[in-house]
Amino acid sequence: KNEVEQSPQNLTAQEGEFITINCSYSVGISALHWLQQHPGGGIVSLFMLSSGKKKHGRLIATINIQEKHSSLHITASHPRDSAVYICAVSSRGGADGLTFGKGTHLIIQP
Amino acid sequence: DAGVIQSPRHEVTEMGQEVTLRCKPISGHNSLFWYRQTMMRGLELLIYFNNNVPIDDSGMPEDRFSAKMPNASFSTLKIQPSEPRDSAVYFCASSFIAGELFFGEGSRLTVL
Repeated sequence: KNEVEQSPQNLTAQEGEFITINCSYSVGISALHWLQQHPGGGIVSLFMLSSGKKKHGRLIATINIQEKHSSLHITASHPRDSAVYICAVSSRGGADGLTFGKGTHLIIQP
Repeated sequence: DAGVIQSPRHEVTEMGQEVTLRCKPISGHNSLFWYRQTMMRGLELLIYFNNNVPIDDSGMPEDRFSAKMPNASFSTLKIQPSEPRDSAVYFCASSFIAGELFFGEGSRLTVL
């Protein structure tokens, strides 16, 4: 079974700072997902990636398959970015169930 | 599209009662997943279906839990009898051929 580790568990930063959240996994995968969950809210998929880098607005996700490591970056952070960010992996893209990290609680202070 | 629709959004019941959670996936998606989220254990996969067929139910806690998908547009997760330790948020998600996952808003279950 894949073990998914995220760091840091908690992160508090000031508005405008560059944010990095890390994820590592133990077994080869076919895809890695970054998810966002606001307090009391639903879960939104931010990225699904199997290699390289993807960018959406101020969010950037990278993955290094050889090192079994991914990072999620937020540029020019804003209080509305405050949420839990969850890394999850699958062995057959999204066709099988995900294994989740415990999440990173991010607070952006104005 | 309305997205993945779950009902009820909130359910409060007493121990021993039957609970049924419902999910309508996004039209055209062929994979459906049930997840459970608790403070202690985070998000866990309970069961998933491909083309309405259960593929992996190894995450179902015990025989009190059962899930069905009678057609491509509807799935249920049933707990009978319910226990206080079943209190959690239950998420349904769907995807199309190993693509991006779309989650419902979740059903928050409280068993007293």
